[in-house]
Amino acid sequence: AQSVAQPEDQVNVAEGNPLTVKCTYSVSGNPYLFWYVQYPNRGLQFLLKYITGDNLVKGSYGFEAEFNKSQTSFHLKKPSALVSDSALYFCAVRAKPLYGGATNKLIFGTGTLLAVQP
Amino acid sequence: DAMVIQNPRYQVTQFGKPVTLSCSQTLNHNVMYWYQQKSSQAPKLLFHYYDKDFNNEADTPDNFQSRRPNTSFCFLDIRSPGLGDAAMYLCATSRATTGNEQFFGPGTRLTVL
Repeated sequence: AQSVAQPEDQVNVAEGNPLTVKCTYSVSGNPYLFWYVQYPNRGLQFLLKYITGDNLVKGSYGFEAEFNKSQTSFHLKKPSALVSDSALYFCAVRAKPLYGGATNKLIFGTGTLLAVQP
Repeated sequence: DAMVIQNPRYQVTQFGKPVTLSCSQTLNHNVMYWYQQKSSQAPKLLFHYYDKDFNNEADTPDNFQSRRPNTSFCFLDIRSPGLGDAAMYLCATSRATTGNEQFFGPGTRLTVL
């Protein structure tokens, strides 16, 4: 079965410190992995994705993520956190279609609330 | 700017009174999705359209229906809202090519009295 796990409900970090939001996945075949951010009462905003190629993916707002196939992980990172980064972060994997063909249906993790203290 | 628009942003309805939520997009994407999200949980996919082809999720209640009259618009109809249907409803779009990200609208928060 395909799944995504975000083991931390909440991550607390001081402004200016590096942050990591963890994500592990379980899929058959090559994974397509995504990170989204959600601010209160807003929709999800796309941050970055891994499809193929370089394991380090750079995205919006200074975020990056590292794909690690051996550890089946795709952790989100930022070198220096801002108070404005405080939000809910979702990791997602593309659901493998049952009968082939193209689909961009996503399986989401449970989300991690990032709190950056001034 | 190309975007996904949802109207209204906030909707209040009464128990059992039908309600329709609207989504429009200027991205010209083939695929449109409807999600239900409760209390900062993960979004739950209700159904999606691949062009005019409707794809329902197996666990989506019959109370939820959808229409896509053209590429730009998609509607979510809740025929008889219950208290448990109070949630944020998110519309998203994507290109059909595998690996393309979804673009989300701002959501409609539904309250059921």
